[in-house]
Amino acid sequence: SQKIEQNSEALNIQEGKTATLTCNYTNYSPAYLQWYRQDPGRGPVFLLLIRENEKEKRKERLKVTFDTTLKQSLFHITASQPADSATYLCALDPDSGKSTFGDGTTLTVKP
Amino acid sequence: NAGVTQTPKFQVLKTGQSMTLQCAQDMNHNSMYWYRQDPGMGLRLIYYSASEGTTDKGEVPNGYNVSRLNKREFSLRLESAAPSQTSVYFCASSEGTSSEKLFFGSGTQLSVL
Repeated sequence: SQKIEQNSEALNIQEGKTATLTCNYTNYSPAYLQWYRQDPGRGPVFLLLIRENEKEKRKERLKVTFDTTLKQSLFHITASQPADSATYLCALDPDSGKSTFGDGTTLTVKP
Repeated sequence: NAGVTQTPKFQVLKTGQSMTLQCAQDMNHNSMYWYRQDPGMGLRLIYYSASEGTTDKGEVPNGYNVSRLNKREFSLRLESAAPSQTSVYFCASSEGTSSEKLFFGSGTQLSVL
Protein backbone atom coordinates (compact mmCIF):
# COMPACT_ATOMS: atom_id res chain seq x y z
CA SER A 1 0.00 0.00 0.00
CA GLN A 2 1.05 3.61 -0.45
CA LYS A 3 2.76 5.17 2.52
CA ILE A 4 4.41 8.47 3.46
CA GLU A 5 6.65 8.54 6.52
CA GLN A 6 8.11 11.64 8.07
CA ASN A 7 10.94 11.21 10.56
CA SER A 8 10.29 11.31 14.27
CA GLU A 9 7.21 13.17 15.38
CA ALA A 10 9.33 15.79 17.12
CA LEU A 11 12.70 17.36 16.43
CA ASN A 12 14.43 19.68 18.92
CA ILE A 13 17.45 21.74 17.90
CA GLN A 14 19.43 24.72 19.13
CA GLU A 15 19.07 28.12 17.51
CA GLY A 16 21.57 28.68 14.73
CA LYS A 17 21.87 24.99 13.83
CA THR A 18 20.55 23.34 10.67
CA ALA A 19 17.32 21.39 10.99
CA THR A 20 16.92 18.41 8.66
CA LEU A 21 13.52 16.80 8.21
CA THR A 22 12.94 13.59 6.25
CA CYS A 23 10.06 12.42 4.09
CA ASN A 24 10.15 8.82 2.85
CA TYR A 25 7.53 7.25 0.62
CA THR A 26 6.66 3.83 -0.74
CA ASN A 27 4.53 2.73 -3.69
CA TYR A 28 4.28 6.23 -5.10
CA SER A 29 5.64 7.66 -8.33
CA PRO A 30 5.13 11.34 -7.57
CA ALA A 31 5.37 13.96 -10.28
CA TYR A 32 6.30 16.43 -7.56
CA LEU A 33 6.66 16.74 -3.81
CA GLN A 34 5.71 19.69 -1.63
CA TRP A 35 6.57 20.96 1.85
CA TYR A 36 4.16 22.95 4.02
CA ARG A 37 4.42 24.67 7.38
CA GLN A 38 1.57 24.48 9.90
CA ASP A 39 1.34 26.57 13.07
CA PRO A 40 -1.01 25.54 15.92
CA GLY A 41 -4.63 26.36 15.12
CA ARG A 42 -3.83 27.47 11.58
CA GLY A 43 -4.03 25.99 8.12
CA PRO A 44 -0.87 24.74 6.36
CA VAL A 45 1.15 27.25 4.37
CA PHE A 46 2.98 26.25 1.18
CA LEU A 47 6.78 26.52 1.33
CA LEU A 48 8.45 24.69 -1.55
CA LEU A 49 7.67 22.37 -4.46
CA ILE A 50 10.23 20.13 -6.16
CA ARG A 51 9.55 18.13 -9.32
CA GLU A 52 10.67 14.57 -10.09
CA ASN A 53 13.34 15.78 -12.53
CA GLU A 54 14.85 18.25 -10.02
CA LYS A 55 17.48 17.30 -7.45
CA GLU A 56 17.45 20.39 -5.26
CA LYS A 57 15.46 23.57 -4.68
CA ARG A 58 16.32 26.56 -2.48
CA LYS A 59 14.39 29.48 -1.06
CA GLU A 60 16.18 31.80 1.35
CA ARG A 61 17.20 29.58 4.34
CA LEU A 62 15.22 26.60 3.06
CA LYS A 63 16.54 23.77 0.90
CA VAL A 64 14.74 20.70 -0.39
CA THR A 65 16.27 17.65 -2.06
CA PHE A 66 14.40 14.92 -3.89
CA ASP A 67 15.87 11.48 -4.58
CA THR A 68 13.41 9.37 -6.58
CA THR A 69 15.74 6.36 -6.39
CA LEU A 70 15.83 6.40 -2.60
CA LYS A 71 12.19 7.59 -2.55
CA GLN A 72 13.12 10.31 -0.13
CA SER A 73 13.03 14.08 0.28
CA LEU A 74 15.10 16.05 2.77
CA PHE A 75 14.02 19.48 3.99
CA HIS A 76 16.71 21.69 5.52
CA ILE A 77 16.36 24.93 7.47
CA THR A 78 19.73 26.61 7.91
CA ALA A 79 20.55 29.09 10.68
CA SER A 80 17.36 28.06 12.44
CA GLN A 81 15.46 30.53 14.61
CA PRO A 82 12.81 30.07 17.33
CA ALA A 83 10.31 31.51 14.82
CA ASP A 84 10.90 28.41 12.67
CA SER A 85 9.23 26.29 15.36
CA ALA A 86 6.18 24.67 13.74
CA THR A 87 4.95 21.42 12.24
CA TYR A 88 6.25 20.67 8.76
CA LEU A 89 4.27 18.48 6.39
CA CYS A 90 5.36 16.82 3.17
CA ALA A 91 2.82 16.06 0.46
CA LEU A 92 2.94 13.87 -2.63
CA ASP A 93 0.83 13.97 -5.76
CA PRO A 94 1.35 11.48 -8.58
CA ASP A 95 -0.30 14.18 -10.73
CA SER A 96 -3.82 12.94 -10.12
CA GLY A 97 -4.78 16.17 -8.37
CA LYS A 98 -5.01 14.36 -5.05
CA SER A 99 -2.15 15.37 -2.77
CA THR A 100 -1.51 12.97 0.11
CA PHE A 101 0.10 14.36 3.25
CA GLY A 102 2.48 12.83 5.77
CA ASP A 103 1.70 13.09 9.48
CA GLY A 104 4.22 15.90 9.94
CA THR A 105 7.29 16.59 12.05
CA THR A 106 7.07 19.13 14.88
CA LEU A 107 10.23 21.23 15.00
CA THR A 108 11.18 23.15 18.14
CA VAL A 109 14.09 25.58 17.93
CA LYS A 110 15.43 26.53 21.35
CA PRO A 111 17.14 29.87 21.98
CA ASN B 1 -7.01 39.94 -0.19
CA ALA B 2 -8.80 37.29 1.92
CA GLY B 3 -7.58 34.10 0.16
CA VAL B 4 -9.61 31.11 1.35
CA THR B 5 -12.41 31.82 3.82
CA GLN B 6 -14.12 29.09 5.84
CA THR B 7 -17.21 29.36 8.00
CA PRO B 8 -17.95 28.60 10.75
CA LYS B 9 -14.71 28.46 12.74
CA PHE B 10 -16.20 26.28 15.47
CA GLN B 11 -19.27 24.04 15.59
CA VAL B 12 -20.70 21.54 18.05
CA LEU B 13 -23.26 19.04 16.77
CA LYS B 14 -25.24 16.22 18.30
CA THR B 15 -25.08 12.81 16.68
CA GLY B 16 -27.50 12.68 13.76
CA GLN B 17 -27.63 16.43 13.13
CA SER B 18 -26.71 17.84 9.74
CA MET B 19 -24.69 20.86 8.79
CA THR B 20 -22.86 22.48 5.89
CA LEU B 21 -19.34 23.87 6.02
CA GLN B 22 -18.83 26.80 3.69
CA CYS B 23 -15.68 27.69 1.77
CA ALA B 24 -14.98 30.54 -0.63
CA GLN B 25 -11.82 31.66 -2.41
CA ASP B 26 -11.17 34.98 -4.11
CA MET B 27 -8.06 34.00 -6.13
CA ASN B 28 -9.90 32.76 -9.24
CA HIS B 29 -8.52 29.28 -8.62
CA ASN B 30 -9.80 26.31 -10.59
CA SER B 31 -9.43 23.53 -8.03
CA MET B 32 -10.83 23.31 -4.53
CA TYR B 33 -10.41 20.66 -1.82
CA TRP B 34 -11.77 19.52 1.52
CA TYR B 35 -9.39 17.86 3.99
CA ARG B 36 -9.84 16.68 7.54
CA GLN B 37 -7.09 16.58 10.15
CA ASP B 38 -7.26 14.46 13.27
CA PRO B 39 -4.91 15.04 16.25
CA GLY B 40 -1.31 14.13 15.49
CA MET B 41 -2.14 13.11 11.95
CA GLY B 42 -1.70 14.54 8.54
CA LEU B 43 -4.47 15.82 6.34
CA ARG B 44 -6.74 13.34 4.62
CA LEU B 45 -8.56 14.30 1.44
CA ILE B 46 -12.36 14.03 1.61
CA TYR B 47 -13.45 15.44 -1.77
CA TYR B 48 -12.02 17.70 -4.39
CA SER B 49 -13.22 19.66 -7.41
CA ALA B 50 -10.88 20.24 -10.35
CA SER B 51 -13.25 22.71 -11.98
CA GLU B 52 -16.68 24.22 -11.62
CA GLY B 53 -19.31 21.53 -12.00
CA THR B 54 -17.05 18.56 -11.24
CA THR B 55 -16.33 16.77 -7.97
CA ASP B 56 -14.36 13.64 -7.11
CA LYS B 57 -13.94 11.45 -4.07
CA GLY B 58 -10.76 11.52 -2.06
CA GLU B 59 -9.43 9.10 0.52
CA VAL B 60 -12.25 9.40 3.11
CA PRO B 61 -15.53 10.45 1.40
CA ASN B 62 -18.02 8.33 3.35
CA GLY B 63 -20.55 10.38 5.33
CA TYR B 64 -19.92 13.57 3.34
CA ASN B 65 -21.33 15.31 0.29
CA VAL B 66 -19.99 18.32 -1.56
CA SER B 67 -21.25 21.01 -3.91
CA ARG B 68 -19.16 23.20 -6.19
CA LEU B 69 -21.67 26.02 -6.30
CA ASN B 70 -19.59 28.18 -8.64
CA LYS B 71 -15.91 28.82 -9.24
CA ARG B 72 -15.54 30.60 -5.88
CA GLU B 73 -17.47 28.34 -3.52
CA PHE B 74 -17.15 24.71 -2.45
CA SER B 75 -19.31 23.44 0.40
CA LEU B 76 -19.08 20.26 2.49
CA ARG B 77 -22.22 18.72 3.97
CA LEU B 78 -22.57 16.23 6.78
CA GLU B 79 -26.05 14.71 6.43
CA SER B 80 -26.07 12.76 9.70
CA ALA B 81 -23.11 13.62 11.88
CA ALA B 82 -21.29 10.89 13.79
CA PRO B 83 -18.69 11.18 16.61
CA SER B 84 -16.08 9.78 14.19
CA GLN B 85 -16.47 12.98 12.19
CA THR B 86 -15.10 15.08 15.06
CA SER B 87 -12.09 16.72 13.45
CA VAL B 88 -10.63 19.93 12.06
CA TYR B 89 -11.76 20.55 8.51
CA PHE B 90 -9.66 22.52 6.05
CA CYS B 91 -10.67 23.88 2.69
CA ALA B 92 -7.95 24.56 0.13
CA SER B 93 -7.63 25.82 -3.42
CA SER B 94 -5.06 25.69 -6.20
CA GLU B 95 -4.70 27.62 -9.41
CA GLY B 96 -4.63 24.76 -11.90
CA THR B 97 -6.18 21.31 -12.01
CA SER B 98 -3.36 19.73 -10.03
CA SER B 99 -2.77 20.17 -6.29
CA GLU B 100 0.35 22.29 -6.66
CA LYS B 101 0.78 25.10 -4.17
CA LEU B 102 -2.36 24.65 -2.14
CA PHE B 103 -3.77 27.66 -0.32
CA PHE B 104 -5.57 26.68 2.88
CA GLY B 105 -8.28 28.30 4.95
CA SER B 106 -7.96 28.64 8.70
CA GLY B 107 -10.08 25.58 9.42
CA THR B 108 -13.35 24.59 11.13
CA GLN B 109 -13.14 22.79 14.47
CA LEU B 110 -16.11 20.39 14.53
CA SER B 111 -17.15 18.36 17.56
CA VAL B 112 -19.90 15.73 17.30
CA LEU B 113 -21.26 14.62 20.66
